[in-house]
Amino acid sequence: EADIYQTPRYLVIGTGKKITLECSQTMGHDKMYWYQQDPGMELHLIHYSYGVNSTEKGDLSSESTVSRIRTEHFPLTLESARPSHTSQYLCASSENGGFMSGAKNIQYFGAGTRLSVL
Amino acid sequence: QKEVEQNSGPLSVPEGAIASLNCTYSDRGSQSFFWYRQYSGKSPELIMFIYSNGDKEDGRFTAQLNKASQYVSLLIRDSQPSDSATYLCAVNRGYGGSQGNLIFGKGTKLSVKP
Repeated sequence: EADIYQTPRYLVIGTGKKITLECSQTMGHDKMYWYQQDPGMELHLIHYSYGVNSTEKGDLSSESTVSRIRTEHFPLTLESARPSHTSQYLCASSENGGFMSGAKNIQYFGAGTRLSVL
Repeated sequence: QKEVEQNSGPLSVPEGAIASLNCTYSDRGSQSFFWYRQYSGKSPELIMFIYSNGDKEDGRFTAQLNKASQYVSLLIRDSQPSDSATYLCAVNRGYGGSQGNLIFGKGTKLSVKP
């Protein structure tokens, strides 16, 4: 079982509030990722990180921001939540394998945070 | 053309049958191929991973790669109702600044009828 934890599991919040979704892993993985997934829809990569002090934007533009101050911690922040941010947010981690490294690219997912903005 | 394409389904098979799931990919530089299973409301979990050098069998699951045609398949033998889920195909990015990141397909929904 993967040791990657997300909190909270569910969050209902009003428009305009600042929120931070937490993600922590105990596997010592260098790479971490945030995905957004609406019910029944595909995964969209919104942020990733190669390691401490590294953050990159993913394939889907997002108003959220991330930080990576510690290897094990990769929080996602929304400064002002809106109803359009309602979605499931999934955090994942992997070793830093590059494109030739196969198994090192396996991503392990947390249980997710289901966000509802009213 | 999307980078990883899957038939969204649903694919319905009777219990005990073989379920065959396929995906095609566009990045010729991809070297690693992954199948994840995602139950409704849950997060994806890895079922199998294969590298570009061959197929792999693990219990009831077999992953096969056809590099020339750029498609990957997952066979589930003796399908069980508990196999009912969405199956995501993923391939690693071959080139560019985000090498090693996975590209996920939309997933194929499998329903195994008792």
